[in-house]
Amino acid sequence: KAGVTQTPRYLIKTRGQQVTLSCSPISGHRSVSWYQQTPGQGLQFLFEYFSETQRNKGNFPGRFSGRQFSNSRSEMNVSTLELGDSALYLCASSLGGSGAQETQYFGPGTRLLVL
Amino acid sequence: AQSVTQLGSHVSVSEGALVLLRCNYSSSVPPYLFWYVQYPNQGLQLLLKYTSAATLVKGINGFEAEFKKSETSFHLTKPSAHMSDAAEYFCAVSGGSNYKLTFGKGTLLTVNP
Repeated sequence: KAGVTQTPRYLIKTRGQQVTLSCSPISGHRSVSWYQQTPGQGLQFLFEYFSETQRNKGNFPGRFSGRQFSNSRSEMNVSTLELGDSALYLCASSLGGSGAQETQYFGPGTRLLVL
Repeated sequence: AQSVTQLGSHVSVSEGALVLLRCNYSSSVPPYLFWYVQYPNQGLQLLLKYTSAATLVKGINGFEAEFKKSETSFHLTKPSAHMSDAAEYFCAVSGGSNYKLTFGKGTLLTVNP
């Protein structure tokens, strides 16, 4: 089975712009989660989607949003970019029906640099 | 609420020596615990996980971890370090009906020849 894929792998934007990142989960997985990784804050949970519905949400401002499509692919959007949004954004997928014990499988990430 | 503390942001060992990476957790519900490894410019790869079936968990690449409820710990060990083990290691906790993983700050493992 193919793993979790994320596009693009690298992105450079300027402050004030918006960006959309894409994630394709492992075939058969219905849950997609997004995490932000920075040197200062470490790995932080953004949100989780299951069957096109946001099921869990982390403590991030409303500039961060996401959605999930009927094929389980997910996108996250960051509007009005700030310098502090520079980070590695990781997507993870899991089956979605067995609760918190499920293994989340991570993609390689999208590295976003905001200038 | 859940949290994870990884003691030691950087651990350095010699090749062939014991690897011990420490993880303590806090959870208001029965926890599920995970260890992930991250190599440079890559995502996270699962090493092992605890889901209450057995307190001693064996993972990939010779790693294992023991869940100790009384100590709220889930330390990662490997008897003999290899150069290829050099990477960053993250301990994470989840629980209840929440699919969110809460991660520790990570421990960078250096293996010296």
